Amino acid sequence: GQQLNQSPQSMFIQEGEDVSMNCTSSSIFNTWLWYKQEPGEGPVLLIALYKAGELTSNGRLTAQFGITRKDSFLNISASIPSDVGIYFCAGRILTGGGNKLTFGTGTQLKVEL
Amino acid sequence: SQTIHQWPATLVQPVGSPLSLECTVEGTSNPNLYWYRQAAGRGLQLLFYSVGIGQISSEVPQNLSASRPQDRQFILSSKKLLLSDSGFYLCACTRLAGQETQYFGPGTRLLVL
Repeated sequence: GQQLNQSPQSMFIQEGEDVSMNCTSSSIFNTWLWYKQEPGEGPVLLIALYKAGELTSNGRLTAQFGITRKDSFLNISASIPSDVGIYFCAGRILTGGGNKLTFGTGTQLKVEL
Repeated sequence: SQTIHQWPATLVQPVGSPLSLECTVEGTSNPNLYWYRQAAGRGLQLLFYSVGIGQISSEVPQNLSASRPQDRQFILSSKKLLLSDSGFYLCACTRLAGQETQYFGPGTRLLVL
């Protein structure tokens, strides 16, 4: 099935650094979502984007819906230890997506004190 | 806001035994419901989704089945578990039918021995 290319696969950064990750697709999406998952828990929705070019912030997190509608990025500013986890992008394909989301493979973030 | 309950939280079952995982949702009306499986903390695989009572769409052929006996109840079952059924099972819902944004439950960790 349709896959989202999410990169990087993992990141090991210093506390206080900014983080950037992105997702790209060959298909056009009408919705982009970003989730964070901590070990043993379900993914938690961080940011939802519904319009091309939309830039939305949630605290230290900022995400954008790419103009081409084929990509999205998530930035985390001034990372802290509790930012550790796996970040997933997800989206609904504009044509034929139905009621389903396509998920990226995740970016594992590790923060060094 | 919606709340998703999953039961049980953890389960250890022998190969060949039956399975029943339950997901119930509060705070929504007529949601879409989803079952995902996640292996090794990465990659969400959509197993089933439902847009209404008694309506089940299967995404991946396997020895699992799903049922939706009530609007806010979604059940994942198997008659005979395989070793490969081990994983982290996540239930998700939308707030309303037709919406894209999915919210996840806490998950059930299944270990088949």
